[in-house]
Amino acid sequence: GAGVSQSPRYKVTKRGQDVTLRCDPISSHATLYWYQQALGQGPEFLTYFNYEAQPDKSGLPSDRFSAERPEGSISTLTIQRTEQRDSAMYRCASSSQAGTVKETQYFGPGTRLLVL
Amino acid sequence: AQSVTQPDIHITVSEGASLELRCNYSYGATPYLFWYVQSPGQGLQLLLKYFSGDTLVQGIKGFEAEFKRSQSSFNLRKPSVHWSDAAEYFCAVGASGTYKYIFGTGTRLKVLA
Repeated sequence: GAGVSQSPRYKVTKRGQDVTLRCDPISSHATLYWYQQALGQGPEFLTYFNYEAQPDKSGLPSDRFSAERPEGSISTLTIQRTEQRDSAMYRCASSSQAGTVKETQYFGPGTRLLVL
Repeated sequence: AQSVTQPDIHITVSEGASLELRCNYSYGATPYLFWYVQSPGQGLQLLLKYFSGDTLVQGIKGFEAEFKRSQSSFNLRKPSVHWSDAAEYFCAVGASGTYKYIFGTGTRLKVLA
């Protein structure tokens, strides 16, 4: 696509429910990132993919968080048994030439999650 | 530990005035430095980036930033602010061969007519 898209843009859920967020990266980009941005904070790295491989999950806050990118394109971030502290903006970014001087991460509009 | 500090949470300037947003970083290796802007309802958009070479970097929308290694700073500047520049600005740092960007907490810019 022309840019990174994310859905839904807003999600309100009750504590204990599972939620799945979706990211559709720029079609030519091999690398996809997930970030969590709490209110008043900058984005914090959660995990990333190179195509379908997920080399680093170290930023995921707990085992309730998981991400997939099964065909190396669209990715989902799932939060199981949501807690109020999970309320945040979840941002997706994609890039080509990751880790090189030429890399630029392109961000989607984000999904704002509110857990009641 | 690696970190990025944006000391100003909010800044208000009049339209047409000059602007400087501060960013200080702590990073062991030679950093790659970025400024992103977030307008309401939009994703983060890259304004400019520094990797090496000339320490004064030009970006989009008339922005520039200067890398000062001795001060561990990468301040963003614009000589004349437009009302459409009202947004939140994030500084970020990364390093060669890595993929993790570390972001500051952001500076929210308000522009007075």
